[in-house]
Amino acid sequence: GEDVEQSLFLSVREGDSSVINCTYTDSSSTYLYWYKQEPGAGLQLLTYIFSNMDMKQDQRLTVLLNKKDKHLSLRIADTQTGDSAIYFCAEMRTGRRALTFGSGTRLQVQP
Amino acid sequence: NAGVTQTPKFQVLKTGQSMTLQCAQDMNHEYMSWYRQDPGMGLRLIHYSVGAGITDQGEVPNGYNVSRSTTEDFPLRLLSAAPSQTSVYFCASSYQGAQNTGELFFGEGSRLTVL
Repeated sequence: GEDVEQSLFLSVREGDSSVINCTYTDSSSTYLYWYKQEPGAGLQLLTYIFSNMDMKQDQRLTVLLNKKDKHLSLRIADTQTGDSAIYFCAEMRTGRRALTFGSGTRLQVQP
Repeated sequence: NAGVTQTPKFQVLKTGQSMTLQCAQDMNHEYMSWYRQDPGMGLRLIHYSVGAGITDQGEVPNGYNVSRSTTEDFPLRLLSAAPSQTSVYFCASSYQGAQNTGELFFGEGSRLTVL
C-alpha cells in the first residue's frame, strides 16, 4: 500500500531487541496493526493500537504511536529465531472497513 | 476450528482460462475480503463484502468478480486470466460488531501462476 511505508529488511542477533518502523499518511486512522507472516502462511495479528493511545505493551512486544509524525513502531524484546518472519503494518481509516497494508519488513534473526 | 479456508492452495493457468478461488469461513463473520500479495507491494485489496448479497470494489478490482450468496462463502472469479494476475491471493474475514477492533483473520493463501 503506497500510503503505508516500511523498510524492507531488518537483521538482528538472537537476544537483541528489534525495532520495526512504519509511517502512514492518513491522520484519520482509527486502529493501527502489526501482523506477522511466516513462510507459506497467511497473516496473523500480533497486536493493535487504538489511535488515542501512545503506547501498548504485550509481553515482549511494545507498540509506540506518534500521531504527530504519523509514525508507528514495533519493538520485539529478546528476539528469538522463531520471530523471523515478515511483519506488516496496517491501518484502518475512519469510515472504512478495509485495512491498508504496508509492503512488509522481513526480520531475519541470526543465531 | 477451521477459521478461514481457501482452495486451491496452488494453481497454474494458461492465459485466457477462467477459474474460481474458493473461500469459506465458519466464524459467522459479516465482513470478507480478497487481497493479493506481490513482492515488495504488501497486500492490495481486490474486493470486499460487508454481508450476504453486498459486495464492493477495493484498490485493484479489474479482472476479478466476486459474489456473496451466503455469509460463509466468498468466491473470487478470474474470467480470463492474464500473467499480471500471477500472485498469492489471501481471503480474510472479520467481525463487524460494536466492539470491533477490525482484526482480520486470514486464510493460508492461494498461489496462482498464469502462463
